[in-house]
Amino acid sequence: AQKITQTQPGMFVQEKEAVTLDCTYDTSDPSYGLFWYKQPSSGEMIFLIYQGSYDQQNATEGRYSLNFQKARKSANLVISASQLGDSAMYFCAMREVNLNNNDMRFGAGTRLTVKP
Amino acid sequence: DGGITQSPKYLFRKEGQNVTLSCEQNLNHDAMYWYRQDPGQGLRLIYYSQIVNDFQKGDIAEGYSVSREKKESFPLTVTSAQKNPTAFYLCASSMIPRGGSQPQHFGDGTRLSIL
Repeated sequence: AQKITQTQPGMFVQEKEAVTLDCTYDTSDPSYGLFWYKQPSSGEMIFLIYQGSYDQQNATEGRYSLNFQKARKSANLVISASQLGDSAMYFCAMREVNLNNNDMRFGAGTRLTVKP
Repeated sequence: DGGITQSPKYLFRKEGQNVTLSCEQNLNHDAMYWYRQDPGQGLRLIYYSQIVNDFQKGDIAEGYSVSREKKESFPLTVTSAQKNPTAFYLCASSMIPRGGSQPQHFGDGTRLSIL
């Protein structure tokens, strides 16, 4: 079964506007971590933001925030004041703490294009 | 600067040939990982290692092999048994993720193609 689902293959946003990238996940582990990564066309994966399953508040890092809705098992990334340099692939990932492994499960990604 | 270095950036493989992708990190991380990324898709785990001289298979280990003789190094060999090796390969490292919060840090990747 797919652990991480990103339903938006591509998204467009006007420069300086906000955009939300969707991510839903599936786990029976009560303890898990959720991550968002950015992958520019050059290929490297850049860590953006982390949310723990027991965190009471939504995570924020500069222009990035995570809209964490635990009951709905969603962890949407919000990018405020979009910039042209935000154009990239964005991946949602999850690590389940209580499983005896340390790998992350990645979604298929969303390609964000920021229009001038 | 601390980071992860993958080499080469581009690699071409002939039929029946084994090739080795290098991954070195100076972040003092215990855990290292290899992922494969196909066009337009997410990352799939090939192998990972939490400690020197120990490693575990991921979801798509067939046709690949790894070694972990030093903490800093985790080379990946794509063997001739891997019939469809053309992909983008990413190496990552992290602290041992007790509590799950430690992110993985990635290298710049190696693009492998068949000649």
